[in-house]
Amino acid sequence: DAKTTQPTSMDCAEGRAANLPCNHSTISGNEYVYWYRQIHSQGPQYIIHGLKNNETNEMASLIITEDRKSSTLILPHATLRDTAVYYCIVRVENTDKLIFGTGTRLQVFP
Amino acid sequence: NAGVMQNPRHLVRRRGQEARLRCSPMKGHSHVYWYRQLPEEGLKFMVYLQKENIIDESGMPKERFSAEFPKEGPSILRIQQVVRGDSAAYFCASSLRDRIYEQYFGPGTRLTVT
Repeated sequence: DAKTTQPTSMDCAEGRAANLPCNHSTISGNEYVYWYRQIHSQGPQYIIHGLKNNETNEMASLIITEDRKSSTLILPHATLRDTAVYYCIVRVENTDKLIFGTGTRLQVFP
Repeated sequence: NAGVMQNPRHLVRRRGQEARLRCSPMKGHSHVYWYRQLPEEGLKFMVYLQKENIIDESGMPKERFSAEFPKEGPSILRIQQVVRGDSAAYFCASSLRDRIYEQYFGPGTRLTVT
């Protein structure tokens, strides 16, 4: 699996967009990018995934660069409840396990 | 549609006792995964099961740990002769067969070994 690099922590003001970067420079053509988050003491929560194209759902948007070496998760209007650790994961199709790194600890402040 | 259920939520065991952690997947999900999270660390994959089959147990310690997902009933993670180092949060996740990376996690079981 391709290795990912994320900043250790980030801050964001409530109501503003939170942009969480992820570097996956060794990603190969059939590897997807997945994002999960873990709110304190809870189980992780699936957010979004993508391969090449940008993706959007009710929770977030995922922007993947054309060369696929990096991506950004965007929470358009961060709330205090978005405070969590965000994990960027890449995987090869048809493999089975999620490999969680250390993630980015996002703190949303009032 | 109920989410992934885990019980107990908190479990205290003395060294040498057995711990049994249960996980009921989401309705319609046939794949179950167990992860362990040590205090202040990330989640580590332990085992991946389908009904009556262990698919990948590459993250399971070789001794004292076992997992099953019987035809009927919840998945069970069993830890025999627990030691203090087993104290952790154990999370179960489930998925559909064709969406194994969209995993839905339970609330976890926090095991404390005294």
